[in-house]
Amino acid sequence: DAKTTQPNSMESNEEEPVHLPCNHSTISGTDYIHWYRQLPSQGPEYVIHGLTSNVNNRMASLAIAEDRKSSTLILHRATLRDAAVYYCIRTDSNYQLIWGAGTKLIIKP
Amino acid sequence: DTEVTQTPKHLVMGMTNKKSLKCEQHMGHRAMYWYKQKAKKPPELMFVYSYEKLSINESVPSRFSPECPNSSLLNLHLHALQPEDSALYLCASSQDRGAYGYTFGSGTRLTVV
Repeated sequence: DAKTTQPNSMESNEEEPVHLPCNHSTISGTDYIHWYRQLPSQGPEYVIHGLTSNVNNRMASLAIAEDRKSSTLILHRATLRDAAVYYCIRTDSNYQLIWGAGTKLIIKP
Repeated sequence: DTEVTQTPKHLVMGMTNKKSLKCEQHMGHRAMYWYKQKAKKPPELMFVYSYEKLSINESVPSRFSPECPNSSLLNLHLHALQPEDSALYLCASSQDRGAYGYTFGSGTRLTVV
């Protein structure tokens, strides 16, 4: 089974960009890459997803390596409200979510 | 309406009780999901309903019984649970099979005593 690996935790300063890495070295050609984040005692919140091309939305950017074996979630200007656990996820052939273990993002004021 | 609503938010039940968790969405999504999440772990898929039919059961014990009365509602009936079943239970929905993302509810925090 393909593994999705992420660092356990990362720290960043407020109002600076944050780059959250993810490795998915055995991802198949049709698997999407999703990112969700979860605040304490809340459900996961959709952040962004993509297949091959880089993607931008109002929350973040997703940079996908050309070989698709890794990706990076970019928060352009982190705020204290961005502190959460960020999950890097691939979808299987049935579009079900295969979750990574998550990266706890700590934002320092 | 762009939300998935779960009730109750908290539930404490004894091992001999019968209770139900409820999930509702009005986004027209045709797939609905139950997940179980233990502390400091990612959510684990339990059940998937697609067009009101159970399509995936991830080998969940029979003390958990899902029900989808219509395309907007999803229930999880609980009976004879064990203390290790204490967890956050999350409901989610998606358009069709989820290629465009999933919407999660805030969850029900279940404690079995």
